[in-house]
Amino acid sequence: QVQLVESGGGLVKPGGSLRLSCAASGFTFSDHYMNWIRQAPGKGLEWISFISSPGSYSSYADSVKGRFIISRDNAKNSLYLLMNSLRAEDTAVYYCARGWLFPWGQGTLVTVSS
Amino acid sequence: DIQMTQSPSSLSASVGDRVTITCRASQGIRNDLGWYQQKPGKAPERLIYAASNLQSGVPSRFSGSGSGTEFTLTISSLQPEDFATYYCLQYNSYPWTFGQGTKVEIK
Repeated sequence: QVQLVESGGGLVKPGGSLRLSCAASGFTFSDHYMNWIRQAPGKGLEWISFISSPGSYSSYADSVKGRFIISRDNAKNSLYLLMNSLRAEDTAVYYCARGWLFPWGQGTLVTVSS
Repeated sequence: DIQMTQSPSSLSASVGDRVTITCRASQGIRNDLGWYQQKPGKAPERLIYAASNLQSGVPSRFSGSGSGTEFTLTISSLQPEDFATYYCLQYNSYPWTFGQGTKVEIK
């Protein structure tokens, strides 16, 4: 069945960087565009980035534009999110999701704190 | 950006009740809308896509309607496992945006 598994979360200091990964299985990864969504503790959902199926086009929410970079490796069935210049307000559970946000992975927690 | 205004933000209901949640878009989004259910500590799960299409495996007591700027999620007879937070999502144009969420609690 379709499965998405995020990894790479953890505790990072403000101004630091972190790279998240999302391993996909159960479908032809290279046929689908992919997304990252996040949820701050106790808050709602925020879509943050999309990447086209070949990886040639991407889009970002204003809150992360210029700091985060989405990428993918279709040969490895993997999606990535490189997060730079992290701020306390980036603390959240980060989810990857396929296409029109179905399905989602289980999420990985990123905590930005000194 | 398209703003999604979801109401109510919370509601209390009893098992067996009919529940309706509304999302209004700040501009027309055709039927490019999904509904998601999220339980504590879990990832959201899609219930409805394209405004009114039931996701495979989702109970038929869930239904969606609307087009353009006004959308509705209806639970025809609330069950114990339906107590959760519900979100709408517009995917008509980037940035995709969610409603603020509706927490459905036990009365």
